[in-house]
Amino acid sequence: GAVVSQHPSWVICKSGTSVKIECRSLDFQATTMFWYRQFPKQSLMLMATSNEGSKATYEQGVEKDKFLINHASLTLSTLTVTSAHPEDSSFYICSASQGTAEKLFFGSGTQLSVL
Amino acid sequence: AQSVTQLDSHVSVSEGTPVLLRCNYSSSYSPSLFWYVQHPNKGLQLLLKYTSAATLVKGINGFEAEFKKSETSFHLTKPSAHMSDAAEYFCVVTPGGGATNKLIFGTGTLLAVQP
Repeated sequence: GAVVSQHPSWVICKSGTSVKIECRSLDFQATTMFWYRQFPKQSLMLMATSNEGSKATYEQGVEKDKFLINHASLTLSTLTVTSAHPEDSSFYICSASQGTAEKLFFGSGTQLSVL
Repeated sequence: AQSVTQLDSHVSVSEGTPVLLRCNYSSSYSPSLFWYVQHPNKGLQLLLKYTSAATLVKGINGFEAEFKKSETSFHLTKPSAHMSDAAEYFCVVTPGGGATNKLIFGTGTLLAVQP
């Protein structure tokens, strides 16, 4: 199947700093990428939908100024957690779509710990 | 509104014995249903999908699931567990048509396989 590379897999940062997470589709062009967040023992929650060349669409309750998403090319989307705080500590997962739900491929996730 | 409930957070089986991971869904529409597997440090991988065709769906690695509308269930089964099946499994629901931006994830079931 198609490969989606997400990195870093682990990041620890100080409160108040910003962290960037990259999501790349390695062998296909993804018109749409998605960012999810997962708290321990909870399900993945969709944060935002990112389309190449346009502004991301955020789900209700997700702060767009806190979680900046850039989708500059058909193979790369980035999520920047700005001015991170301990409550932002979570597992973040990206996915890239070739059109339908059965052609949706996931990255391996990033564990963010904010001290 | 749609939702999905995975009834067991942890399941432990012995190698060679059957696997049953339970999932119930709620949907106002004719749903599409999926099972994903996540191995440690790997991205989510699609195991199988139901999209209103045959109610018994066969997936990869010997897994299958049966869509039962009367019971609103989509349980995942495998006749004989293998050590490599140890992973986390997510049941996912989306409106009919498989809209990728409306995936609703269950909380996951961690499958342990004992030798």
